Amino acid sequence: DIQMTQSPSSLSASVGDRVTITCQASQDISNYLNWYQQKPGKAPKLLIYDASNLETGVPSRFSGSGSGTDFTFTISSLQPEDIATYYCQQYDNLPALTFGGGTKVEIK
Amino acid sequence: EVQLVESGGVVVQPGGSLRLSCAASGFTFDDYTMHWVRQAPGKGLEWVSLISWDGGSTYYADSVKGRFTISRDNSKNSLYLQMNSLRTEDTALYYCAKDRFIAAAGVGGIDYWGQGTLVTVSS
Repeated sequence: DIQMTQSPSSLSASVGDRVTITCQASQDISNYLNWYQQKPGKAPKLLIYDASNLETGVPSRFSGSGSGTDFTFTISSLQPEDIATYYCQQYDNLPALTFGGGTKVEIK
Repeated sequence: EVQLVESGGVVVQPGGSLRLSCAASGFTFDDYTMHWVRQAPGKGLEWVSLISWDGGSTYYADSVKGRFTISRDNSKNSLYLQMNSLRTEDTALYYCAKDRFIAAAGVGGIDYWGQGTLVTVSS
């Protein structure tokens, strides 16, 4: 099975800061990667699909890039409402849809 | 509006069985692959199982293979997860989730999630 290594596991940043999260796949997954946001006590929400496409209704400060094994998720200007845990997920290698370990984003 | 409503989560003893249900609405249920994903308390997301639009293909995480069975009833717009031989490590919030891709396009990950139902395995 493909392993997804996400880093950092947590970060603290100030409002307005640029925040970057990385996700590395153990083998080539092309662009078959999604990013999710999970706020405390809530279900996850799809933000980015196919590595770089913004889901409808998601603010443009969120973006994704990468292909192959290395992927990046960016919040261009951190807002208080962005406090959440973020997960990457690969869907290239069935049967397992593997998630990264998550990155908890906090306000400094 | 897509809605996924899970039910069936309870406290059960190790070795016991449980059936989770998910009622779907707001989309053409029998066009989509469906998933179960779980989250242990304070932990990350773990994909559990998926079933194709027609029920003809099912896949499981190694951690539940041989113990859990996913099924669907397209006439009732419902998804199920039969859980047998439950272990304490199965304690989690179980989410029902819809795949992004319509049937013939394969599997594209998840675009909609329910709110989850809590399964606690404890003596």
